[in-house]
Amino acid sequence: AQTVTQSQPEMSVQEAETVTLSCTYDTSENNYYLFWYKQPPSRQMILVIRQEAYKQQNATENRFSVNFQKAAKSFSLKISDSQLGDTAMYFCAFRTLSGNTGKLIFGQGTTLQVKP
Amino acid sequence: EAQVTQNPRYLITVTGKKLTVTCSQNMNHEYMSWYRQDPGLGLRQIYYSMNVEVTDKGDVPEGYKVSRKEKRNFPLILESPSPNQTSLYFCASSSTRYSGELFFGEGSRLTVL
Repeated sequence: AQTVTQSQPEMSVQEAETVTLSCTYDTSENNYYLFWYKQPPSRQMILVIRQEAYKQQNATENRFSVNFQKAAKSFSLKISDSQLGDTAMYFCAFRTLSGNTGKLIFGQGTTLQVKP
Repeated sequence: EAQVTQNPRYLITVTGKKLTVTCSQNMNHEYMSWYRQDPGLGLRQIYYSMNVEVTDKGDVPEGYKVSRKEKRNFPLILESPSPNQTSLYFCASSSTRYSGELFFGEGSRLTVL
């Protein structure tokens, strides 16, 4: 079965500093998507960044970047120059390209607090 | 504006009183899905639909029903709600089941007393 594990339930970082959130996953597939979603106190699920498994280059979106290690099945999120608005729960998610469900498999989430 | 709209956003109800959470998307997406979010468990898929009139169970379908009569709408029905269905519910859509990210609605907080 495919699983996603986030081993850090809570993290904190000082404003303007850099923080890395960890995620590992388990799958026997070769092609899939990986995502990081942000859930602020408003509860909305906001896409932060996506990575296609066939791409070797790590995805970046402004202050957000990932370290995708396919062989190790690791997908960490780095947030640079942290801002107070980054305070949220962050979910790592995996989407299979096989079968019919099309579902996202989520980790348990990491609550990030950015301190002024 | 491209969006997924859910209603109601908040609802408190009692055990056994049927309720429907509506979901509508304006992006002409084929694929739609419902998730529930519970503390420590992340989000889990309840039901999904690959297209009109095509629906199937996800990981936690017990106590829920869905229908997909129109492409844009995918309501979630709780025929006889129970307290263990107290949760935060999300509707989501994507172009197809093989597309990249899911686009999420704003969530519906349901409390069953």
